[in-house]
This record gives sequence, structure tokens and C-alpha cells, in this order.
Amino acid sequence: DTGVSQNPRHKITKRGQNVTFRCDPISEHNRLYWYRQTLGQGPEFLTYFQNEAQLEKSRLLSDRFSAERPKGSFSTLEIQRTEQGDSAMYLCASSSEVDRPLNTEAFFGQGTRLTVV
Amino acid sequence: AQKVTQAQTEISVVEKEDVTLDCVYETRDTTYYLFWYKQPPSGELVFLIRRNSFDEQNEISGRYSWNFQKSTSSFNFTITASQVVDSAVYFCALSEADQGAQKLVFGQGTRLTINP
Repeated sequence: DTGVSQNPRHKITKRGQNVTFRCDPISEHNRLYWYRQTLGQGPEFLTYFQNEAQLEKSRLLSDRFSAERPKGSFSTLEIQRTEQGDSAMYLCASSSEVDRPLNTEAFFGQGTRLTVV
Repeated sequence: AQKVTQAQTEISVVEKEDVTLDCVYETRDTTYYLFWYKQPPSGELVFLIRRNSFDEQNEISGRYSWNFQKSTSSFNFTITASQVVDSAVYFCALSEADQGAQKLVFGQGTRLTINP
């Protein structure tokens, strides 16, 4: 296991279609995060999981967005009825709870770049 | 609310020059964490450093050094003797001490170009 893996790397979809992205975290990491990064901006937090539990969702995550992490392993992020404003890079990260209460660093995947046409 | 400001949108220097990337943050928390990440063209965010709010010691790692000043809410990053491979977008980020979760608030990033 060499790092966080995200698939697909690129996705082009027509407006109104549904899309799903997958993230495979580093195997021993129990926390998984989704971020969205638009062009020229820093990543923005969307949601995070501790094991299979989704503990927090940003207000950026509209009801068209849903994330799951069945069995606390990989995670999927689905966007329904895509809009052009959804075009962005979707980044996944994972971290371990090993040395709590200190924050451990999050390791990021290479992202999925979504283009809605 | 937490906020991170990286006022320098783009910096371009010639190889071997020293360069400092500025980062100013806002938070009401007394315990928080500061980070720097590098984003090369491949898109992956590469972790560089984490600092907690109780440790104001400056840190040096090879050609990289960080200056954390709580009095001015700044966490600046200096690259000494820059190299072309340092070219990337650099992000400063802030996280509150919420059960160790990595809910990062990022700045807008500084695009650093090192010219040969």
C-alpha cells in the first residue's frame, strides 16, 4: 500500500448526470476526508469519516452530494444531477488516530478532476 | 471562524535565490495546528510540516525553514538556495484541535516558479 488512491483521475460528464468517485485510503488509516478544490483556490473541506461513521459534513455539501464509507475501508463520493459549478478537483485524504489527541498529518491522493459540460 | 491568508498569489525567482512564502491565520482557538503542503503539477498535496500552537520554535529541514510567530499570527516558510524542483503551489493550512481530525482550512496558495 503506497498511498491514497483515487479513481478515476479525470471525469467529464454532461450536466444533469450522476457521477461517483472512489477513494482507497492508506490501509491502517481510520480517518478519511473529502475536499474540493476549484481552480486557483485552496482545497475546501467537505466531509470526514472515522471508520464507517460520517462525523461531519460541510455546508458546501449540498443534498446532491452523498458520501459513504462502507465497512470503514474505501469511500465513495456521489454527485447527483451535476451542475457546471461542480467542476473541480475532488481530493481524498486519510490519517491515523495513532497519536491522538495530536493531529497526525493527512496524506492526500492525487484527486479526481471533474469537468461538467 | 478560522481563516488563512496567503497574500502572495505568485512568486517567481531565479534558481539559488532565497524565497519566503507568507502565511497569516485567524482563529479563536487556543489550541490549533498549522501546516504547509506542496502541490506539484501532478495534483497530489505533499505534507511538509505540522506545528502546534504551543510550539513556537522555528524549524529547519534542509533548505526549508519555518518561522512561527504567535504574536503576529504568522507561519512563514522560507526556501534557501531555491531549485527548479521547488516549483509548485504551496498551501498553508490551519486545523482546530477537534479530536485530532484533519479538518483543514487552507489558504489560497502561492504559486512558486523557480527559473533556471
